[in-house]
Amino acid sequence: GAVVSQHPSWVICKSGTSVKIECRSLDFQATTMFWYRQFPKQSLMLMATSNEGSKATYEQGVEKDKFLINHASLTLSTLTVTSAHPEDSSFYICSARGDRGRVNTGELFFGEGSRLTVL
Amino acid sequence: AQSVSQHNHHVILSEAASLELGCNYSYGGTVNLFWYVQYPGQHLQLLLKYFSGDPLVKGIKGFEAEFIKSKFSFNLRKPSVQWSDTAEYFCAARGAGANNLFFGTGTRLTVIP
Repeated sequence: GAVVSQHPSWVICKSGTSVKIECRSLDFQATTMFWYRQFPKQSLMLMATSNEGSKATYEQGVEKDKFLINHASLTLSTLTVTSAHPEDSSFYICSARGDRGRVNTGELFFGEGSRLTVL
Repeated sequence: AQSVSQHNHHVILSEAASLELGCNYSYGGTVNLFWYVQYPGQHLQLLLKYFSGDPLVKGIKGFEAEFIKSKFSFNLRKPSVQWSDTAEYFCAARGAGANNLFFGTGTRLTVIP
């Protein structure tokens, strides 16, 4: 099956620093990627939709200046948490929607997630 | 507003027991429905999906789900669970053709050998 890889899988940072999380589709192209956030014992909440070559679309309540998303190529999207604070500590998951080709159009494939802890 | 509800937060079963996990959705139009599984330490994987057609959907590893439109439900079933089915199960829904995938809060399944 198609593989989506996130890096890093676990990061600890000091309050006020910025952290970048990468999401790569390893064997397929993805025009569209999605970033989710998951709090303990809660559901995955969609943060934003990342579109290759254009600006991301953010969900209501998500600060676009805090969570910078860049989708520079058909296989890579990055989420940068700027000036991170302890309340940003969470599990961030990306998913990629397969374009035509090797994967079924429309099916989502998920990365393994990145756990961010802000001290 | 779109939402997905999973009623069981934690289910504990013995091996060979039958499983049914509830999922209800709230959506105004045509909906696509999914069940994902997350094994300990692994990423989300698709178990099965419903777009249209036969409301009884067969997935991987012996799982199936039934779409009942009148009840807005998409319950997951397996006739006989195994210890290896221990995982977190998420129901998800999205409008047909839409990007946003709405997840339920998940159900943790623990299967006792």
